[in-house]
Amino acid sequence: QVQLQQSGPGLVKPSQTLSLTCTVSGGSTSSGSYYWSWIRQPAGKGLEWIGRIYNSGSTNYNPSLKSRVTMSVDTSKNQFSLKLSSVTAADTAVYYCAGGGYYYDSSSYSYYYYGLDVWGQGTTVIVSS
Amino acid sequence: QSVLTQPPSASGTPGQRVTISCFGSSSNIGGNTVNWYQQLPGTAPKLLIYTNNQRPSGVPDRFSGSKSGTSASLAISGLQSEDEADYYCATWDDSFFGGGTKLTVL
Repeated sequence: QVQLQQSGPGLVKPSQTLSLTCTVSGGSTSSGSYYWSWIRQPAGKGLEWIGRIYNSGSTNYNPSLKSRVTMSVDTSKNQFSLKLSSVTAADTAVYYCAGGGYYYDSSSYSYYYYGLDVWGQGTTVIVSS
Repeated sequence: QSVLTQPPSASGTPGQRVTISCFGSSSNIGGNTVNWYQQLPGTAPKLLIYTNNQRPSGVPDRFSGSKSGTSASLAISGLQSEDEADYYCATWDDSFFGGGTKLTVL
């Protein structure tokens, strides 16, 4: 059973870079049928997709955050990471890492996703000086 | 404002059947599948339904999903107190979430 363990600081100063890591156990970040995502949730509000990364290193980012987001995967450590630069108070939220299955149909160049079925425990990140 | 629209709240009594709706457009729900997540207070979301109506292993069959045109629905039958949670619909690739519906069990 795949499990995700998040790590990273809970307090980041404005204008600095938020960095979080998610360690995968019971599975592999190099799996060709799984992708890894980051989602965030401001206090009392809904979920916001930040982006996803595949084992190949290919990424998709939320257009509203794209200029500040970098995701990476380290298959040797079985980890994937999020970096969000130039943070402001608006980036204060609970950040979740998550993983889900997918299938790529090379004949139609189409992706089929099966939902995010494994989640980390969440990390509360506060942006404050 | 979310791309997917959900009612902010819903309620029911134990044993009742409740439905939560999710409205989108032809560019999201209309052309692709829908996922549903349950978020109990203070916990991470949990996948409840994927690809419109599929339940992951371990999810009770009291939960069911459907889609028609540009809208989708989550139905919970035999409502239980432990179903009190926030419910979110999401697009096929989870890049957009609804605003969430807070379900109260009276």
